[in-house]
Amino acid sequence: AQSVTQPDIHITVSEGASLELRCNYSYGATPYLFWYVQSPGQGLQLLLKYFSGDTLVQGIKGFEAEFKRSQSSFNLRKPSVHWSDAAEYFCAVRTNNAGNMLTFGGGTRLMVKP
Amino acid sequence: DTEVTQTPKHLVMGMTNKKSLKCEQHMGHRAMYWYKQKAKKPPELMFVYSYEKLSINESVPSRFSPECPNSSLLNLHLHALQPEDSALYLCASSQDQGLGNNEQFFGPGTRLTVL
Repeated sequence: AQSVTQPDIHITVSEGASLELRCNYSYGATPYLFWYVQSPGQGLQLLLKYFSGDTLVQGIKGFEAEFKRSQSSFNLRKPSVHWSDAAEYFCAVRTNNAGNMLTFGGGTRLMVKP
Repeated sequence: DTEVTQTPKHLVMGMTNKKSLKCEQHMGHRAMYWYKQKAKKPPELMFVYSYEKLSINESVPSRFSPECPNSSLLNLHLHALQPEDSALYLCASSQDQGLGNNEQFFGPGTRLTVL
């Protein structure tokens, strides 16, 4: 069965600093990969997705992610963090099994220092 | 319209009450999902409807009863809940359950508290 690991439960960065959130997946074939963001008490908003093609994908709000098959990783990056980026970030994988359901990582809470 | 709406935003209910959560989308999506999310945890899938038929039930207790009256609406009927059922309930929709460009769009959720 597929699984998704987000090794960092909490990350704190200063406003204006760069950010990288880690995501590793376990799956035999090439999965469909997603990053979602969730502000407190809100639903999930899709930041970006990878299905195929260019392994560097651009998303909304200045985020990007790079798919590295050799490392089974799909890390999320942003060159300069804004205070409004403070939220919970979830990496998710969708596979070709029945139902094509999403498997979520445990999430990373991002805090931004002024 | 790329929005999934959910009502109510907040719900407080006793263990003997019957209530319903509602979800609506007008994107023409044919798959709709209910998730339960406890604090500081990722969403957990509860049910999936595909073309208005229940296709996945992740062993959810019968006190939760989903209903899909039409392709735009999804309800979750609640009865005799327990305090541990308190959570954020998220609805999502996608074009269908098949392969391809099939991202899920999430609603803002209903915060449920069971007393």
